[in-house]
Amino acid sequence: EAQVTQNPRYLITVTGKKLTVTCSQNMNHEYMSWYRQDPGLGLRQIYYSMNVEVTDKGDVPEGYKVSRKEKRNFPLILESPSPNQTSLYFCASWDGYGYTFGSGTRLTVV
Amino acid sequence: ELKVEQNPLFLSMQEGKNYTIYCNYSTTSDRLYWYRQDPGKSLESLFVLLSNGAVKQEGRLMASLDTKARLSTLHITAAVHDLSATYFCAVGTYKYIFGTGTRLKVLA
Repeated sequence: EAQVTQNPRYLITVTGKKLTVTCSQNMNHEYMSWYRQDPGLGLRQIYYSMNVEVTDKGDVPEGYKVSRKEKRNFPLILESPSPNQTSLYFCASWDGYGYTFGSGTRLTVV
Repeated sequence: ELKVEQNPLFLSMQEGKNYTIYCNYSTTSDRLYWYRQDPGKSLESLFVLLSNGAVKQEGRLMASLDTKARLSTLHITAAVHDLSATYFCAVGTYKYIFGTGTRLKVLA
């Protein structure tokens, strides 16, 4: 089954404690993205990747890092999380026609 | 800067009624997407519209695209409670810009 898998689904952490949200796709897609969703602000792109070792900033990249060492994986790294990064995060994989989204990670930073 | 606006933001409608959600975007794009999101869930792809005049239908939902007017519509026919969700349009390719979303509530 074609899917985008994110982990964890829920995460509560403290300010400044580094964390990684993993994302994996089994469709051999080249393009992948990370989005965050916030009430009143909608969905905004954080980073995207066009292929292995090729990444670029989206609209709200501050405070985030990504890496793309393998085509299937695209982790999102928060080196020093802050409360304003509390959000619902989605990883997505592009097949050339549209994105397939993962199930989401609800992150709370206290 | 590409902007995507949806209206209405909130829509409460009776079962059996028809209604249309509008998606306007500010710059040229030949691709437009519609997604559905249930509370706390992921985004489910509904339609991919790839050219001017494209029309797609699935059940009680029909989407169309007018690239010259920079407008897409999502038409709901004879609404049922199961259609209650938030609907998003998005424009672009791998750099999607999402609309603000329309929260639809269908009342029995």
